[in-house]
Amino acid sequence: EVQLVESGGGLVKSGGSLRLSCTVSGFTFNSYSMTWVRQAPRKGLEWVSSITGTSTYIHYADSVKGRFTISRDNARNSLYLQMNSLRADDTALYYCARLTCSSNSCYTPPDYWGQGTLVTVSS
Amino acid sequence: DIQMTQSPSSLSASVGDRVTITCRASQGIGNDLGWYQQKPGKAPKRLIYAASTLQSGVPSTFSGSGSGTEFTLTISSLQPEDFATYYCLQHNTYPLTFGGGTKVEVK
Repeated sequence: EVQLVESGGGLVKSGGSLRLSCTVSGFTFNSYSMTWVRQAPRKGLEWVSSITGTSTYIHYADSVKGRFTISRDNARNSLYLQMNSLRADDTALYYCARLTCSSNSCYTPPDYWGQGTLVTVSS
Repeated sequence: DIQMTQSPSSLSASVGDRVTITCRASQGIGNDLGWYQQKPGKAPKRLIYAASTLQSGVPSTFSGSGSGTEFTLTISSLQPEDFATYYCLQHNTYPLTFGGGTKVEVK
């Protein structure tokens, strides 16, 4: 059974940092790209960042570029999101999800998703 | 960036109704589109991929169509469990972009 479990969310002050983790099981982790998607309270879904299976290709939304860093440890079946210089508008539920991508596009939209971890940035 | 314009933003319907939701892409994306259902407090669930391929386990009352810039999600006969918010997502080009969502409510 495919499972994705996020952790690391919490309350942080504006300008602070947080590191999210996503631990997966039930599939060959290094064969898949992974992505972070966030959802602000009572708002829609927003793509944040994606990384290919061997970390060769990485992409970010303009809203987080230069502040967030996506990474993965295939030996630990884990995906990470290092979030620095956090702002109030980064407050959201952060989901990790599995997909399949190449250098500049994705073959499939995300299929499996975690349940999310909540990040709250106080001003 | 490719903009995904989803309409309507909300609709009221009754059990048994036929429901249609549309997503329009600001430029051609082939069939690189997925549809998701999200219920309150839950993660999105993929319903359709490749614009028209039904995800395994999803009822056949759901269908997707379209290619290029115009896409449609149809629920042929709305069931009580289908009241939720629906999103489209294009994955043709980075940044990946979602439609704004359609909330399907009880009439």
